[in-house]
Formats: sequence, structure tokens, C-alpha cells
Amino acid sequence: TQLLEQSPQFLSIQEGENLTVYCNSSSVFSSLQWYRQEPGEGPVLLVTVVTGGEVKKLKRLTFQFGDARKDSSLHITAAQPGDTGLYLCAGALTGTASKLTFGTGTRLQVTL
Amino acid sequence: NAGVTQTPKFRILKIGQSMTLQCTQDMNHNYMYWYRQDPGMGLKLIYYSVGAGITDKGEVPNGYNVSRSTTEDFPLRLELAAPSQTSVYFCASSYLAGVYEQYFGPGTRLTVT
Repeated sequence: TQLLEQSPQFLSIQEGENLTVYCNSSSVFSSLQWYRQEPGEGPVLLVTVVTGGEVKKLKRLTFQFGDARKDSSLHITAAQPGDTGLYLCAGALTGTASKLTFGTGTRLQVTL
Repeated sequence: NAGVTQTPKFRILKIGQSMTLQCTQDMNHNYMYWYRQDPGMGLKLIYYSVGAGITDKGEVPNGYNVSRSTTEDFPLRLELAAPSQTSVYFCASSYLAGVYEQYFGPGTRLTVT
């Protein structure tokens, strides 16, 4: 059983389109992070959210942490080819902050 | 500052062979982690360490062993390799846990045939 489910698994869109990626769980997380991974490389942190309802923006990327701290979303506005990659959410379960639980991943491809 | 380095980059093992994946970080981080990533999937935690001399199991520890004799190094040992261990292995480190960023190495692609 996967603690953090991401949807969709795959997304292929054209440049300029908007998209949203979801990260859902039945467990409560004390914090949640989003990473992006490019082929042949390790994941790189995009953002950390810690407060229920928190919204953070990183240029064209908007991240939201659910009010109950069980889910999160990543919205990309006007996607560009440089946004292509594997997006991973990762949460620290309440009481087990020493380690992260990673989501199943969303592979995004943005074409011209 | 090299960050997190891993060796080797690629390796092919025969079933039953053993090997050690090396991981070194130069950021003086307390926490270190080993993950495996199967094709197109997320990361699964194998083992982690909160400091030198302290290690603990993650989600998928069977078939692996670790040690942490120094702050910098966190090798992962595979004993009696099996085809199910074919994967990409990532080492990561962080200053502390929870909200702190994990810095990842470039990965080791392992094939067991």
C-alpha cells in the first residue's frame, strides 16, 4: 500500500497549457515537500510546506498544502518544455520526522 | 563543494554476487539515506542514519546492509544479489530531518542478471 498517491501518473501537454498534479494520503503529515527529477539525475527540492492551507509560489509553480495536512497540489501555469520531468511529493509523517515517504511520481512532458 | 557523490555510476552483477555502493557527502550533514527507484516510480527508503554509528531500517531493507562509521560516508552493501534488486540507487543527505532539504547524489544504476 502506497502512503502517498500521486495523480495523474503521466501527463503530456503542449507548451502554454496549465496543469495540476495531486498528492493524496489518508495519513497526516507534519510537512510536505515537492521534488523534480530529470532523467539520469537525483531529485531536487522545489518547495517545502508545513502549515495546513499554506500556499507557496515559485514563479509559474503554485503549491498548496491541504487544510488537514493529508494532501497537496502542484499547479503549473503556462507550462514550458523546461518543466519536463518527474515530479515527486514527499511527506514527513507526524511522529516519524526522521524520514520522508515519497509519492508514486508524476511524469510530465511538455512539447512545443 | 561536491555535495553527495556516489560510486560506481553503473554496475552489472551476476545473481549471488555481492557489492558495496559508496556514498560520501562533504556538507557535514547528520542525516543520510539510501533509496531505490524502480523504472518510472517514486523512491523507496532502504536504510537511513541520523548520525555516525546510528542506522535504522526503512521501508525495503531486506537484502541490504549499511554502516556509518563517519559523518561523511554511508556505504550500502548488497549480499547475494537477486534480479529483484535491479534498480537505480540514490544516496541523500540532510542537515536535519523533516522540513530540511534532502540533497541527492547522481545515482547508481544496478542490473542483476
